[in-house]
Amino acid sequence: KAGVTQTPRYLIKTRGQQVTLSCSPISGHRSVSWYQQTPGQGLQFLFEYFSETQRNKGNFPGRFSGRQFSNSRSEMNVSTLELGDSALYLCASSFDRQGTDTQYFGPGTRLTVL
Amino acid sequence: DQQVKQNSPSLSVQEGRISILNCDYTNSMFDYFLWYKKYPAEGPTFLISISSIKDKNEDGRFTVFLNKSAKHLSLHIVPSQPGDSAVYFCAASAGGFKTIFGAGTRLFVKA
Repeated sequence: KAGVTQTPRYLIKTRGQQVTLSCSPISGHRSVSWYQQTPGQGLQFLFEYFSETQRNKGNFPGRFSGRQFSNSRSEMNVSTLELGDSALYLCASSFDRQGTDTQYFGPGTRLTVL
Repeated sequence: DQQVKQNSPSLSVQEGRISILNCDYTNSMFDYFLWYKKYPAEGPTFLISISSIKDKNEDGRFTVFLNKSAKHLSLHIVPSQPGDSAVYFCAASAGGFKTIFGAGTRLFVKA
């Protein structure tokens, strides 16, 4: 069974631009969560989608948004990029509720904002 | 507001000895706890979990202990191997909802 895939793996943008990251979950998984990882901050929860609906949201500004498609694939968008948005963005999928179901992570997208 | 805290950014252990990674949490509503391991350039991988109704869970060389009264959990790795060198994240969730991760502890196992 193929794992979670994320594209692109690396991205360089400049301040003010916007970016879209993509995540394909494991086949059959309906829950997709997004996390931001920065040094010393661990994994900060962004949001979780289940069956095309956002179920949970972290404490990030509205510049961060996401969506999930009918095939469970998910995209994350960041508008008006700031230098502080430079981070590793991780996507994780699970069969159902992501709290008690094991989450499977993708390799991440490394975003650098110049 | 860090609800899940891993106060040791790094830990160095000799091969064959025990590695003990600690994690504290503040939210008494957390009822499920997990440990993930992360190698560079890879996403975290699930290691072991424990429900709040238990105080210990073992899986091979890995054991997680939960002390609810102290709001503390720990991961024991015995014996430690060089391949265990990675960043370990503690995580917690309440009622099956969003998972909160700690900042991670980098483990170095010296040969």
